Amino acid sequence: GAGVSQSPSNKVTEKGKDVELRCDPISGHTALYWYRQSLGQGLEFLIYFQGNSAPDKSGLPSDRFSAERTGGSVSTLTIQRTQQEDSAVYLCASSFSQHGYTFGSGTRLTVV
Amino acid sequence: GNSVTQMEGPVTLSEEAFLTINCTYTATGYPSLFWYVQYPGEGLQLLLKATKADDKGSNKGFEATYRKETTSFHLEKGSVQVSDSAVYFCALRNRDDKIIFGKGTRLHILP
Repeated sequence: GAGVSQSPSNKVTEKGKDVELRCDPISGHTALYWYRQSLGQGLEFLIYFQGNSAPDKSGLPSDRFSAERTGGSVSTLTIQRTQQEDSAVYLCASSFSQHGYTFGSGTRLTVV
Repeated sequence: GNSVTQMEGPVTLSEEAFLTINCTYTATGYPSLFWYVQYPGEGLQLLLKATKADDKGSNKGFEATYRKETTSFHLEKGSVQVSDSAVYFCALRNRDDKIIFGKGTRLHILP
């Protein structure tokens, strides 16, 4: 596609429920990144995929967070048993060249 | 480890004022440096970048020079406009291919 597409754009969920966030990167981009942006904070790195493998999962905040990528394309970030502190904007980016990162518009997650 | 520190906001200026947003970094090796911008209600966009020491990145009237001796990448613009109101993020990318962002600086330009 023309850009990085994320869905849903907004998600309100009850505490304790599981949520899935989807990222559809630019076609042909081999690298895919998930970041989290909390109110008043910068961008927190979560996980990075090169193809279908995840060489760097160091940013996942707890074992409630997981992500997968299939076919070297779409990625899903899953948060189990959501907590209020999970409320944030979750951003996905994809990259082909060494320097080019393109971000999606993000998913705003609100846990009530 | 790698880190980016940028001036805290918000920064409020009048239209046509001179802008500087300070950014310093800590990194091993020779990272690439970036400024990203997030306009209200929009996603992050790359504003400019520099890949080696003394490089100057520029775009839309904004400039930043990669200063290895001071480990800095300050963002400047000679005459800001209301449309420049946004959040600006300084960032670095090292060999491990992960971008590290600063906390962002919110800029308000008054007409």
